[in-house]
Amino acid sequence: DAGVIQSPRHEVTEMGQEVTLRCKPISGHDYLFWYRQTMMRGLELLIYFNNNVPIDDSGMPEDRFSAKMPNASFSTLKIQPSEPRDSAVYFCASRIQYTGNTIYFGEGSWLTVV
Amino acid sequence: AQKVTQAQTEISVVEKEDVTLDCVYETRDTTYYLFWYKQPPSGELVFLIRRNSFDEQNEISGRYSWNFQKSTSSFNFTITASQVVDSAVYFCALSEGGGADGLTFGKGTHLIIQP
Repeated sequence: DAGVIQSPRHEVTEMGQEVTLRCKPISGHDYLFWYRQTMMRGLELLIYFNNNVPIDDSGMPEDRFSAKMPNASFSTLKIQPSEPRDSAVYFCASRIQYTGNTIYFGEGSWLTVV
Repeated sequence: AQKVTQAQTEISVVEKEDVTLDCVYETRDTTYYLFWYKQPPSGELVFLIRRNSFDEQNEISGRYSWNFQKSTSSFNFTITASQVVDSAVYFCALSEGGGADGLTFGKGTHLIIQP
């Protein structure tokens, strides 16, 4: 079975540009999570969805960040405008309810903003 | 509030040595789950194990073993006869109750296995 699929794997962009990260969760999973990993803050939860509905976006750092899940098989995380401090690895993850909360991660999107 | 502490930032051992990674957690819930994930140099996060708060049995999987002790709020991970391929960052994580809030991660322990 395919795991969580993220794209792009690597992106280098200039400050001020819009960045869109994409995620396809594991088929049948009803929760989707976006995490960010930095050296300073470690792994932090940005936002999560249940059945395509955003449940908690309290981890989103500021209004420049937005996330959508138009259907059960696709989600985007958008940064507009991007800043150098947004450079990080962004992980998408998913899980299915009643499986002991195990979350499965994608390979991550490595973002560098110059 | 939930919290996970991995006090060991980096551990370096020689191949074939045993090594234990420590994890201490804090939670007010009586129902919770504990996890270990591995992040190899390639960067992905690989699920290793899940334990629920009602199951304190230790678990062994090949060279890996896990010791869950509620009395000390610890969930330690031991690698026996370490190998170079075990070199990675290992994360301990906690999920409370219904788990809807996702996982709270520790800062990770960077394990270096020298040949």
